[in-house]
Amino acid sequence: KNEVEQSPQNLTAQEGEFITINCSYSVGISALHWLQQHPGGGIVSLFMLSSGKKKHGRLIATINIQEKHSSLHITASHPRDSAVYICAVSSYGGSQGNLIFGKGTKLSVKP
Amino acid sequence: DAGVIQSPRHEVTEMGQEVTLRCKPISGHNSLFWYRQTMMRGLELLIYFNNNVPIDDSGMPEDRFSAKMPNASFSTLKIQPSEPRDSAVYFCASSLQENTEAFFGQGTRLTVV
Repeated sequence: KNEVEQSPQNLTAQEGEFITINCSYSVGISALHWLQQHPGGGIVSLFMLSSGKKKHGRLIATINIQEKHSSLHITASHPRDSAVYICAVSSYGGSQGNLIFGKGTKLSVKP
Repeated sequence: DAGVIQSPRHEVTEMGQEVTLRCKPISGHNSLFWYRQTMMRGLELLIYFNNNVPIDDSGMPEDRFSAKMPNASFSTLKIQPSEPRDSAVYFCASSLQENTEAFFGQGTRLTVV
């Protein structure tokens, strides 16, 4: 069993829909990261969080430490949100760059 | 700042050749990370440095792989000899400190034929 599990693996949505991507992990963590990888390949860090909720524009990330679960929400989705979204965790006591990655969720938003 | 800069962006080489990937971290960042991404295994940490010192190289797959950070503004990842199974995208990332967010470069797509 992978230490970081994401669901769904693939997601197709219509423009404007509310989107949720889930991440569960099985190790003790110091922080959880949501990353975005566009078709061109570059990786951008969206959020780093260790508790509660963070919001940036149309993106919201939440984490429940007790349940070892995080969600990434996209409100009013747009075709430019099409990308692979990757959940990663920094294990407790480790460096924030010493990440354990999920397999990613490929999101396609249709106009 | 220009962000993390990797070179080359693409590299095609023949099996058995030496390959050197380069990374320039964001100025002032003390931690540097090398990752590899493949279709089969996704993203994996290979090695990371803190203040130019290798801290954890347990992700380096074999002795054919080596990484150096001679100074705070430059790191290399070398594969010698290269094999087709090394074909992947290699990412470099840096962070201000060990416990802060990491910023990724654009990656080097390596193809070994």
